[in-house]
Amino acid sequence: QVHMEESGPGLVRPGETLSLNCTVSGYFISSGYYWAWVRQSPGQGLEWIGSFHQNGKTFYNPSLRGRVTLSLDTSKNQFSLKLTSLSVADTAVYYCTRAAVGSFDYWGQGALVTVSS
Amino acid sequence: DTVLTQTPLSSPVTLGQPASISCRSSQSLVHSDGNTYLSWLHQRPGQPPRLLIYKISNRFSGVADRFSGSGAGTDFTLRISRVEAEDVGVYYCMQGTQFPRTFGQGTNLEIK
Repeated sequence: QVHMEESGPGLVRPGETLSLNCTVSGYFISSGYYWAWVRQSPGQGLEWIGSFHQNGKTFYNPSLRGRVTLSLDTSKNQFSLKLTSLSVADTAVYYCTRAAVGSFDYWGQGALVTVSS
Repeated sequence: DTVLTQTPLSSPVTLGQPASISCRSSQSLVHSDGNTYLSWLHQRPGQPPRLLIYKISNRFSGVADRFSGSGAGTDFTLRISRVEAEDVGVYYCMQGTQFPRTFGQGTNLEIK
């Protein structure tokens, strides 16, 4: 069974950079699949942030205007999200997830990130 | 971007009765590989989404057979044959055919 867990700061100041990690157990991320981040603003729906593969192929949501970088650390079986130039609109629960069968099959519990001064 | 429109946005249902949710896409979800990547996810309050159905009608591992999906092209439906108490929450359709990936706005299923 694949288990995923997000980690990172709960509070970030406007203008700063958010860094989140997702640790995966039960599957080696170097073995395949795309790995992704999805966020959900309070009381709102789901927004796909981006997906990437170990082979380097990466896709980002254009709505985030080049502020996103995804990366992975196979030695830790972990992948990461960096989101720059934060504003209050980036306050959300951030989920890491595995992209498979044209959807997202396994999800972390989510990490609440609040952008506030 | 591909816009997914769900109806209804709220669905009060009696326990043991059927329920259905519609998802309409602004463009065809047929991929160049011949597959249609339309899926359904369920989210209970305070929980992450959970995959129910992928590629229109395939139930994900562990999903009860009271859930079924159908449709083609731009119109899709999720059906629950007999609603149980644990089915409350928000249901989302999602497309994995085009980038950016997009979700419907969600349908809140509640018990009458």
